[in-house]
Amino acid sequence: GENVEQHPSTLSVQEGDSAVIKCTYSDSASNYFPWYKQELGKRPQLIIDIRSNVGEKKDQRIAVTLNKTAKHFSLHITETQPEDSAVYFCAASSNILTGGGNKLTFGTGTQLKVEL
Amino acid sequence: EAQVTQNPRYLITVTGKKLTVTCSQNMNHEYMSWYRQDPGLGLRQIYYSMNVEVTDKGDVPEGYKVSRKEKRNFPLILESPSPNQTSLYFCASSFSVQGGLFFGEGSRLTVL
Repeated sequence: GENVEQHPSTLSVQEGDSAVIKCTYSDSASNYFPWYKQELGKRPQLIIDIRSNVGEKKDQRIAVTLNKTAKHFSLHITETQPEDSAVYFCAASSNILTGGGNKLTFGTGTQLKVEL
Repeated sequence: EAQVTQNPRYLITVTGKKLTVTCSQNMNHEYMSWYRQDPGLGLRQIYYSMNVEVTDKGDVPEGYKVSRKEKRNFPLILESPSPNQTSLYFCASSFSVQGGLFFGEGSRLTVL
C-alpha cells in the first residue's frame, strides 16, 4: 500500500520568513496530493491540493510543487504570519483509473510555529 | 450550512463495552471515511465508503466495524473496545476520494 513520509516533524520560523514542508510517497499510482491544516483543538481543513498532471499550484501565499519522477511534493508558505502556526498534513491517493485503490494516506504531520 | 456531525464528542468507557460513534453529513457526499489521530502517527484511515452499502478497510481496521445504509450516515462501531483504541476520531466526507475532505469536529474516546 501507499506510504507517505513527511519532514520535518517540527518547524520554527520567524514571522515573514518562508516555510517549506516536504513529503515523499511510495505508490506510483498516486495522482492526487492534498494538504491539510489543523489548528490546535480543531479539525483538519483542506488548504490546497494538486493533481499529477500539474507540476505547481499557487494560492496567494501558499504553493505546492510536485515531482512525479522523484515521488515527492512540497508545501511552500511565504511571508509567514502567526496565524499560520498549526499542524500541516500532506496526503496522497490513487484511484482505480490509475490502478490504485480508493484510500487517502496521510503523512505524520509537521508542527509549524511562526515566531514574532 | 454544510457540515459533518459526529457524536459523541467526548466519551470515557470501559474495556469491552460496545459503543457507536455516529457520523452524519448534509452535503450529499458519496465518499465517507473514518480516521484516528494519535500523537506522532498522523491521521490513519480506519474504514471508508464509496457509496451506500459499499465499504472497505483502511490501514487500521482491526477492532472496528462500519455500515453505510444511508448516504448521509456512516457510524463507527467498536464491538469490544480496548485501551489501545483510546484516540481522537475524525469522520470525513467528500464527493470523491480525490475531492477535498470535510472533517467532523472529532470524537475523543478514552477506553479504561
